[in-house]
Amino acid sequence: KQEVTQIPAALSVPEGENLVLNCSFTDSAIYNLQWFRQDPGKGLTSLLLIQSSQREQTSGRLNASLDKSSGRSTLYIAASQPGDSATYLCAVTPILRKTSYDKVIFGPGTSLSVIP
Amino acid sequence: GAGVSQSPRYKVAKRGQDVALRCDPISGHVSLFWYQQALGQGPEFLTYFQNEAQLDKSGLPSDRFFAERPEGSVSTLKIQRTQQEDSAVYLCASSPSVGTRDSGANVLTFGAGSRLTVL
Repeated sequence: KQEVTQIPAALSVPEGENLVLNCSFTDSAIYNLQWFRQDPGKGLTSLLLIQSSQREQTSGRLNASLDKSSGRSTLYIAASQPGDSATYLCAVTPILRKTSYDKVIFGPGTSLSVIP
Repeated sequence: GAGVSQSPRYKVAKRGQDVALRCDPISGHVSLFWYQQALGQGPEFLTYFQNEAQLDKSGLPSDRFFAERPEGSVSTLKIQRTQQEDSAVYLCASSPSVGTRDSGANVLTFGAGSRLTVL
């Protein structure tokens, strides 16, 4: 059974610092891995999606890497800003051979606070 | 509509009451997912619809939980005889396709969720 974990559970950094969020998953049979952002009272917003054949994806100050063989991904945020404060969720789409649809499995999230 | 709409946004129920949570997906979206997110946790899969067919209900925690999507658009998640452990945010997501495997970008659009508090 696919399980996704994230470290740390919470993180507080001063504005301007670079930071790394970690994600681990137990089964390397995945189609892709995504990083989502969740703000209080709002839905999830997809930040980056990495296909299983890719090693990394970049969007602005965000860079996500994927090491499928070791079951790890990192989300790197450069020059953090107070507006980056949110919960960041890692999610994988496992390869389920008996289904015609894709079911996303989420980690517990990392709560990030960027202090001005 | 422009996005996935969920109602009510907040619901307080007394233990034992029945509740119904509604999801209006993006028009034309084939796939619809329900997730349950407890406080401080990630979303947990509940059930999946492909058009009007409920193909997977393996995540529903008990037979008190029931979901339907009779016309392949709006979906309702019903919880009977609510218990305190049912308190959570219930998220709905829709997708124009059956999967994300071939997509170069995220195809899942989430609603803002319905926060259920059972007293």
